[in-house]
Amino acid sequence: EPEVTQTPSHQVTQMGQEVILRCVPISNHLYFYWYRQILGQKVEFLVSFYNNEISEKSEIFDDQFSVERPDGSNFTLKIRSTKLEDSAMYFCASRLTGTGVGEQYFGPGTRLTVT
Amino acid sequence: KQEVTQIPAALSVPEGENLVLNCSFTDSAIYNLQWFRQDPGKGLTSLLLIQSSQREQTSGRLNASLDKSSGRSTLYIAASQPGDSATYLCASPTGNTGKLIFGQGTTLQVKP
Repeated sequence: EPEVTQTPSHQVTQMGQEVILRCVPISNHLYFYWYRQILGQKVEFLVSFYNNEISEKSEIFDDQFSVERPDGSNFTLKIRSTKLEDSAMYFCASRLTGTGVGEQYFGPGTRLTVT
Repeated sequence: KQEVTQIPAALSVPEGENLVLNCSFTDSAIYNLQWFRQDPGKGLTSLLLIQSSQREQTSGRLNASLDKSSGRSTLYIAASQPGDSATYLCASPTGNTGKLIFGQGTTLQVKP
């Protein structure tokens, strides 16, 4: 069964460093998302991506964040200068377009620890 | 603006008990509602998706219901087992992009 994959599973970085989190969505899906979950808190929407551009972003998604789909398969989230409060689990999700709004499929997540 | 709420935050039951988890949403014009399971420190496993046109969806011992008029969904777990211990999240897509709005989850403990 097709699945969303994410690498790495755990990333430790120092404050101020740049990190890139990688995702490979399901191959025929067209909508892509990043969410994050700070320990003990709700899963929060960060950004959605469709047709090679950002379709919506939350207030969390400031200038320190960027997303790219550099080729036909990868979908990346970059944090330019990490802060302690960026420590969280980051989830990538994708869905197939169509009538209505279909199921979102989530990757296993990347745990980002900023020290 | 869609808001999703789950009560209670935690639930402890003895093994074998049938139980119901609750999810409330403020905007009844939803497309669908997804239920997820999350084990500690792990990712989100999709359990059930119930479309706005459906009233129920079943998978094994799980049954999800949807009542749009009252803004509620329930997840029924039959004959609970210790392996069902996890956090259960509900989420509803909103807006043109279908971003998911999540509840805070109910952490279930099933005691042997």
